[in-house]
Amino acid sequence: GQQVMQIPQYQHVQEGEDFTTYCNSSTTLSNIQWYKQRPGGHPVFLIQLVKSGEVKKQKRLTFQFGEAKKNSSLHITATQTTDVGTYFCAGDGGNKLTFGTGTQLKVEL
Amino acid sequence: GAVVSQHPSWVICKSGTSVKIECRSLDFQATTMFWYRQFPKQSLMLMATSNEGSKATYEQGVEKDKFLINHASLTLSTLTVTSAHPEDSSFYICSARDRPNQETQYFGPGTRLLVL
Repeated sequence: GQQVMQIPQYQHVQEGEDFTTYCNSSTTLSNIQWYKQRPGGHPVFLIQLVKSGEVKKQKRLTFQFGEAKKNSSLHITATQTTDVGTYFCAGDGGNKLTFGTGTQLKVEL
Repeated sequence: GAVVSQHPSWVICKSGTSVKIECRSLDFQATTMFWYRQFPKQSLMLMATSNEGSKATYEQGVEKDKFLINHASLTLSTLTVTSAHPEDSSFYICSARDRPNQETQYFGPGTRLLVL
């Protein structure tokens, strides 16, 4: 079945440093979505990418969808303590989402 | 935006009992709802897809007789964990689509189940 991997699994950064998580799917995706889950919370939808090579920005967050529609990345510029959480990509290969393994981000002052 | 609620948010039960979790779409009709399970420090794993008025579609490895899903209306889906055991302790999360073929899913706040 479809597998979606993310690296790194964990990332500790100092506040103000940049952060990037990478997402790779074993199959071509119709679209990819990104979610953030705060400790103890539920996943919250961030964005959806549909087109090959698409780049979208939300303030300090930049999302990219690969040309082959099998990989994606999320880049956070100048992290803040409010960015703490686990970031999941989720690949839509049909009628259901397959969540990536997640990257847990910790931001230290 | 679309809001999905879950009840209860927390449940503690004895081994062998059954637990019912409700998932409601509050301001939209959801023809399709999804049930996920998340163990600590792990990703969300899709358990089943619930379609209103029809039988749920279970993912490979998920026991349909143990995890009963009912989607009797366009705003309510229920997951019943039958004869729960400690290994069923997990975070159960539902999500819903507000339109057929709509790709975005709206997630409920989740239900934490602890089986003693």
